[in-house]
Parts: sequence; C-alpha cells; structure tokens
Amino acid sequence: AQKITQTQPGMFVQEKEAVTLDCTYDTSDQSYGLFWYKQPSSGEMIFLIYQGSYDEQNATEGRYSLNFQKARKSANLVISASQLGDSAMYFCAMRERDYKLSFGAGTTVTVRA
Amino acid sequence: ETGVTQSPTHLIKTRGQQVTLRCSSQSGHNTVSWYQQALGQGPQFIFQYYREEENGRGNFPPRFSGLQFPNYSSELNVNALELDDSALYLCASSYPGTAKNTEAFFGQGTRLTVV
Repeated sequence: AQKITQTQPGMFVQEKEAVTLDCTYDTSDQSYGLFWYKQPSSGEMIFLIYQGSYDEQNATEGRYSLNFQKARKSANLVISASQLGDSAMYFCAMRERDYKLSFGAGTTVTVRA
Repeated sequence: ETGVTQSPTHLIKTRGQQVTLRCSSQSGHNTVSWYQQALGQGPQFIFQYYREEENGRGNFPPRFSGLQFPNYSSELNVNALELDDSALYLCASSYPGTAKNTEAFFGQGTRLTVV
C-alpha cells in the first residue's frame, strides 16, 4: 500500500498568490515525522518543513506552513506569496520508526508571472 | 548547501557494467541513506547505513550493495547494470536523535544513464 499519496501531478499558481499542495499518508506507527522537500531541476532535495506526529501546532517556516490534520492523516503544504523561484517539484515524505523516508510521487508547481 | 556531497554528478555506463557512487555525509551525521529516483517519480529507498552497518533495506536486488566508512562517508555499488537502473541516485545523511533531528540532508545526486 502507498504510504504517501500526492494526488496533484501539476499545479499552476499566479505570482504572489498562495498554493496548497495535498498529501495524505498511511501508517500504523504512533510516532512518525512528515517532511516536505523541494526539488528544482538541478535535482537536489531541499528540506522545507517538518511536522512531528506529536506536535500539536502546525509547523511554519517562513512562507511555508503545514496544515496537519492527524485524524484525516493529511499534511498539506501551503506556500504563501508564491515567487517565480518556487517553480519546482515538491515531495511529501514520511519517516517512521525504521528511519527510512517514504516519498510520494510529487507535485510539479509552476509559478506564472 | 547541505554539506552532503556526491560524486560523480553524471555518468554513463553500458549495460552489464559495474558502477560505484560516492557520498560524503554532513559533519557529525553517522547515518547515510541511498535513494533511487526514476524520471518523473518520487525517490525510492535503497538502503541505510548506521555506524558502518546496513540497518535497513528497501526492495532492491542484491546487486545493489553499499559500504560506510569510519568517517561515515559511503559508497553505493551496482553490479550487472540494467537499462532500468538509469536514474538519479540521492544520498542523504542524518543523525538519529530527536524527531526533528532525523531530518535528512540530501546531496545533489548522481545522474546515472545506462545504455
């Protein structure tokens, strides 16, 4: 079974607007971590934001925020005030007790001027 | 920059050959993981090394093997290359500790093409 599901293959967003990237996950562990990474065309995975399963508040890092709904097993990424440099592939990932990261298929974001 | 460096950045190999990819982990990180990312897909976990021992493996055949050295750098070896091995290979280092500190720092990847 897929551990991470990202249902949006691609999204377009106007510069300066906000965009929400969907992510749902599946785990039976009580302790886990959820990550979002950005991958530009150069290939490097750039860490954006982290949410622990026991964290009661939604994580925020600058223009990135994570909408964590534990009961629904969703961890959506919100990018506010989009910039042209935000155009990239975005991956949701989960780390369980075995420490490996399970990634979703990714969402391509294209920011339009 | 994350401090994780991979070499080479690109290479082309012929089917049936063997390849070695290298990764220098971030200072202080004793865990290295390797991922294979086929074009248009998310990365898939290959294996993980912790203090020079393999301590986790994904669904990859034995011709994918690895090493971790005392300085925590690592190698990924692939024998008998197949066309489907063409992918971006990503190395990530981390330090198992608090949940937040299990964040993995990735290198820029090695793009392998098998012809």
